[in-house]
Amino acid sequence: AAGVIQSPRHLIKEKRETATLKCYPIPRHDTVYWYQQGPGQDPQFLISFYEKMQSDKGSIPDRFSAQQFSDYHSELNMSSLELGDSALYFCASSSGLAGLNTQYFGPGTRLTVL
Amino acid sequence: AQKITQTQPGMFVQEKEAVTLDCTYDTSDPSYGLFWYKQPSSGEMIFLIYQGSYDQQNATEGRYSLNFQKARKSANLVISASQLGDSAMYFCAMREVHPRTGDDKIIFGKGTRLHILP
Repeated sequence: AAGVIQSPRHLIKEKRETATLKCYPIPRHDTVYWYQQGPGQDPQFLISFYEKMQSDKGSIPDRFSAQQFSDYHSELNMSSLELGDSALYFCASSSGLAGLNTQYFGPGTRLTVL
Repeated sequence: AQKITQTQPGMFVQEKEAVTLDCTYDTSDPSYGLFWYKQPSSGEMIFLIYQGSYDQQNATEGRYSLNFQKARKSANLVISASQLGDSAMYFCAMREVHPRTGDDKIIFGKGTRLHILP
């Protein structure tokens, strides 16, 4: 079965650079979530989209922005990168707002900021 | 305030024994979902089991079962006949969808690192 696809899987950037992470949800899933997991930490919710509209916002820095496109894929844009942005970034997808269906996670993008 | 509490930062269990990972949660919403995820050292987040707040029966998936005690707000994961490959970090998580605003997110606990001993 198709799973959530994230690209790239690994990314190395310098401080103050920008990065774009991409997420392709499971087919027919209309909701996308982004999470950030620092080393040794639990995942922290950043932002979610339902039907291309932002549906919830967590602890996402102002330097980050995200959007969901017409094909339901999503991109997380990160600017002015800081050392503390080094983390594993997960995208998850689910179907429907009303049901509490399972969120399926992608394999993650490991971002290292030097 | 922490909404998901996992009181066991680490556990050591002998292979083939059953293990229970504790999880308590806090919510005022009547509708919510509870999850357990496994995260091996490779970093991927693997879905294990799901329990809806209105589900009458405890969820089971193979060797995994969720001991759901709604009144006590606990959702413990039970792994039967543990295997060496079960060594990983385990996260309990809760999904809430606000009925008015539609705010929708999963909140994770701090995790329990499980070590299976040969």
